[in-house]
Amino acid sequence: GNSVTQMEGPVTLSEEAFLTINCTYTATGYPSLFWYVQYPGEGLQLLLKATKADDKGSNKGFEATYRKETTSFHLEKGSVQVSDSAVYFCALYTGGFKTIFGAGTRLFVKA
Amino acid sequence: DGGITQSPKYLFRKEGQNVTLSCEQNLNHDAMYWYRQDPGQGLRLIYYSQIVNDFQKGDIAEGYSVSREKKESFPLTVTSAQKNPTAFYLCASSIDGGAPRGYTFGSGTRLTVV
Repeated sequence: GNSVTQMEGPVTLSEEAFLTINCTYTATGYPSLFWYVQYPGEGLQLLLKATKADDKGSNKGFEATYRKETTSFHLEKGSVQVSDSAVYFCALYTGGFKTIFGAGTRLFVKA
Repeated sequence: DGGITQSPKYLFRKEGQNVTLSCEQNLNHDAMYWYRQDPGQGLRLIYYSQIVNDFQKGDIAEGYSVSREKKESFPLTVTSAQKNPTAFYLCASSIDGGAPRGYTFGSGTRLTVV
């Protein structure tokens, strides 16, 4: 079946470090891929998305490229800030009424 | 500004009690959803609704009920039949069913059994 696997957290970085959060997926067909961010005590916010192979989604300095050959959608940011501390969810939509979420990766950024 | 409003933010339930979580949106979205979030886990779909007066069970509907009498509103009732209701509940909406363009989420309700 369809599934999403994210790297386990927490990920702890110093301010201005480079961030990568790995996400791989299993899906039939041609899914759309998403990254959502959840700040403490809040709901999820859509961060970026990509709908076809080789698309790059980007927002607020974050980016991710839809790699069909490696079934991956890794999230990257060149220089993280303390305010980026949150939980990040990779998600997959293949049609119908279901979006599948990964387990989330918690990011801590130290000043 | 358009968005989704969930209330209350915190809710405490006694054993054997039914409680209702409110979800209201002013985005004019047709589809609405309820998700449950447990620590260290992804989101699990409880119920969804495509249009008024229609809703479908998700993956973990047992012990929950919903209604969709108005486009703007999609309340969730956690019944006494739900044996482990302590969790963070998220309401979401989307322009089109299944959210191929992504969801808009509310800020959540944290439910605790006391």
